[in-house]
Amino acid sequence: KAGVTQTPRYLIKTRGQQVTLSCSPISGHRSVSWYQQTPGQGLQFLFEYFSETQRNKGNFPGRFSGRQFSNSRSEMNVSTLELGDSALYLCASSTVATSTDTQYFGPGTRLTVL
Amino acid sequence: AQKITQTQPGMFVQEKEAVTLDCTYDTSDQSYGLFWYKQPSSGEMIFLIYQGSYDEQNATEGRYSLNFQKARKSANLVISASQLGDSAMYFCAMREVSYGNNRLAFGKGNQVVVIP
Repeated sequence: KAGVTQTPRYLIKTRGQQVTLSCSPISGHRSVSWYQQTPGQGLQFLFEYFSETQRNKGNFPGRFSGRQFSNSRSEMNVSTLELGDSALYLCASSTVATSTDTQYFGPGTRLTVL
Repeated sequence: AQKITQTQPGMFVQEKEAVTLDCTYDTSDQSYGLFWYKQPSSGEMIFLIYQGSYDEQNATEGRYSLNFQKARKSANLVISASQLGDSAMYFCAMREVSYGNNRLAFGKGNQVVVIP
């Protein structure tokens, strides 16, 4: 089975621009979660989508948004980019959300904001 | 309050030796899951092992084992027979059922360098 894929792998943007990141989960996985990883804050939860609905949201400003499509693929969007948005963005997928379900991560998209 | 604490500084480990990575957690939930992930320099988070709060036995997966002490709220990872490919950052994470099934809280990580 193919793993979680994320595109693009690297991205360079300037302040004020917007960006869209894509995540394709493992086949059969319906839950997709997004995390931001920075040296200062570590790994932080952004949001989770399940069956095209956002079920959970972390403590991030409204500039961060996402969606999930009927095939479970997910996108996240960051508008009006700031320097502090430079980070590794990781997507994770799992089958059905139960307490024992394991999230499998993709390789990440490394975003640099200049 | 920090939910997952990993406080060890970077560690150097001799190849073929065992290494223990400490993780303590904070939760008032009765039902939760604990995970360990490995992140090499490439950035991908690789799942290693899972321990459920109701599991009576410590989890094991190949060379990885989890020393789960529920009363002390600790979930230490033991890597036996270290290999050069084990050099990476290791993250402990927790999922609380009441907090949202798929919301993981991560620790700051432990850096491990395996030396030949």
